[in-house]
Amino acid sequence: GESVGLHLPTLSVQEGDNSIINCAYSNSASDYFIWYKQESGKGPQFIIDIRSNMDKRQGQRVTVLLNKTVKHLSLQIAATQPGDSAVYFCAETDNSGYSTLTFGKGTMLLVSP
Amino acid sequence: EPEVTQTPSHQVTQMGQEVILRCVPISNHLYFYWYRQILGQKVEFLVSFYNNEISEKSEIFDDQFSVERPDGSNFTLKIRSTKLEDSAMYFCASREEGQYNSPLHFGNGTRLTVT
Repeated sequence: GESVGLHLPTLSVQEGDNSIINCAYSNSASDYFIWYKQESGKGPQFIIDIRSNMDKRQGQRVTVLLNKTVKHLSLQIAATQPGDSAVYFCAETDNSGYSTLTFGKGTMLLVSP
Repeated sequence: EPEVTQTPSHQVTQMGQEVILRCVPISNHLYFYWYRQILGQKVEFLVSFYNNEISEKSEIFDDQFSVERPDGSNFTLKIRSTKLEDSAMYFCASREEGQYNSPLHFGNGTRLTVT
């Protein structure tokens, strides 16, 4: 089968566990961060965002943490469900005004029932 | 919930042929984008479009690529002479005007296969 490029970090969890997906960024000028979920054959789906003047933001079952000192972003998913299985991308942009997003490499989350 | 729609879902073309990928952004959005994703890799920015002109483009977006908003609803990406390495998923996205740093909303993509 085809394997070129298919070297995504993978996180395997059991249903009901909490999941933490990490992302590092390099642009010190980045001031807006988004987590996207991508299911097979679909486009990236917005999950949650955070601005650089915050270090934590919570949504429904999801929490994003931002550590600007070490340029690190994490997505926490509480009570992970099989439907959460997907590739998760962090994306960031700076204050250039046109919101051109730079995507990270992605992490595959596999949730077992 | 309004969504970005893309057609076709899959396009197969021969090397050297022209292709046009079509997108209908969310109706009250005024910033439009094309991104691509080669199989198994990350999503890459191609071009952004606002007020009927390109606002930013990446090094991938060379002279073989062009974008157009031919009417009030469609946003198209044209590749004039396709190459094998253009095979990828192409995603259209849009964003509301007036919301600085708001999320991009993506369509489900067009899978382009160049043979």
